[in-house]
Amino acid sequence: GAGVSQSPRYKVAKRGQDVALRCDPISGHVSLFWYQQALGQGPEFLTYFQNEAQLDKSGLPSDRFFAERPEGSVSTLKIQRTQQEDSAVYLCASSLARGPQHFGDGTRLSIL
Amino acid sequence: AQSVSQHNHHVILSEAASLELGCNYSYGGTVNLFWYVQYPGQHLQLLLKYFSGDPLVKGIKGFEAEFIKSKFSFNLRKPSVQWSDTAEYFCAVNPKTGANNLFFGTGTRLTVIP
Repeated sequence: GAGVSQSPRYKVAKRGQDVALRCDPISGHVSLFWYQQALGQGPEFLTYFQNEAQLDKSGLPSDRFFAERPEGSVSTLKIQRTQQEDSAVYLCASSLARGPQHFGDGTRLSIL
Repeated sequence: AQSVSQHNHHVILSEAASLELGCNYSYGGTVNLFWYVQYPGQHLQLLLKYFSGDPLVKGIKGFEAEFIKSKFSFNLRKPSVQWSDTAEYFCAVNPKTGANNLFFGTGTRLTVIP
């Protein structure tokens, strides 16, 4: 497809489990971003890649959060030992360098 | 620290009414400005953007926004709303240099009554 693709759309996990969220950016987009959106809030920045390099991870809330983009295309956001406060929608966006960001549908993560 | 304020949390209008959603930002340098819209069940979509030049920016679906540098504002307007404009609207900024990520406001939910 032409847009940013995220999978799964919904993920339910028990507290303490590890989860992995996938993002397929628009082809050719060098920049890739992850955001976290809590209920009733705007998206908040987690981390940013330019190609395969993670240039900014200042928004990751703890060392349980880890992101990678090994070949400069698909990215995975991993959350280890999930906690209830991790419940949110996780958004991926991609762009050409510093151009406007295009968002995926997001993954709604629920931690029980 | 950067921040974006959207003072209207929920706006309810009748069709054909005029719309203005407020957005103010706090940042020490120059910024790019955006409005994104999220229709029910859909992803965030870019409505319009301001990078430089004419501070009155026209976007899709009849929306426009005006950048007023002295007020650190980027308010969204539409002269006559339609039921299909019912959605959540987010104002966002990113600095022209340095960090490349967007800083979002908390969003304004617009409900248009037919």
